Amino acid sequence: QVHLQQWGAGLLKPSETLSVNCAIYGGSFSGYYWSWIRQPPGKGLEWIGEITPGGSTNYNPSLKSRLIISVDTSKTQFSLRLSSVTAADTAVYYCARAWDLWGQGTLVTVSS
Amino acid sequence: QAVVTQEPSLTVSPGGTVTLTCASSSGPVTSGFYANWFQHKPGQAPRALIYSTSNKHSWTPARFSASLLGGKAALTLSGAQPEDEAEYYCLLYYGGPQVFGGGTKLTVL
Repeated sequence: QVHLQQWGAGLLKPSETLSVNCAIYGGSFSGYYWSWIRQPPGKGLEWIGEITPGGSTNYNPSLKSRLIISVDTSKTQFSLRLSSVTAADTAVYYCARAWDLWGQGTLVTVSS
Repeated sequence: QAVVTQEPSLTVSPGGTVTLTCASSSGPVTSGFYANWFQHKPGQAPRALIYSTSNKHSWTPARFSASLLGGKAALTLSGAQPEDEAEYYCLLYYGGPQVFGGGTKLTVL
């Protein structure tokens, strides 16, 4: 059965770089939009960005200067990197194949 | 960046009908915003219900429908069930970036 599995460091200090990875098992990588979404504690969903079937990226303008979304098609996985994190980046991060498949979510906490 | 506005909370009786709306600060929502609707329950990943304004996924219960209404995207639930109690989010496309609404907490009571 096709599913997404995500992983990444759960605790970061301010100014460090957040990195979360998402792998697809049992399915193809090509031809889909691959997205990242987050939900801070007690708040709503926030769209972070996506990588298109053609390999281009679209980013949330408020995060763009710190954000890189990339794909490794040989490993059928894609990644989120967010630099210079602050407490405001504390959230559950989800990867998704827009929009029928979702990862299980990764809680990332930024604290000194 | 545009702001997408939803009702913060709504209540519907079991078996009743309720409409959730989604407005954009940039102007009327049209088909070009390709509105998506998601249901999100605590401890779970969000689940997509609607794509491209009014299209249902294969798993979307028939009691959910969506449309454009008065310059907004709208999600209508007809015949609410207790399991429909959840947070509902719309997502609008802005020619590249996308923006979630703030969410509507739907209570079935």
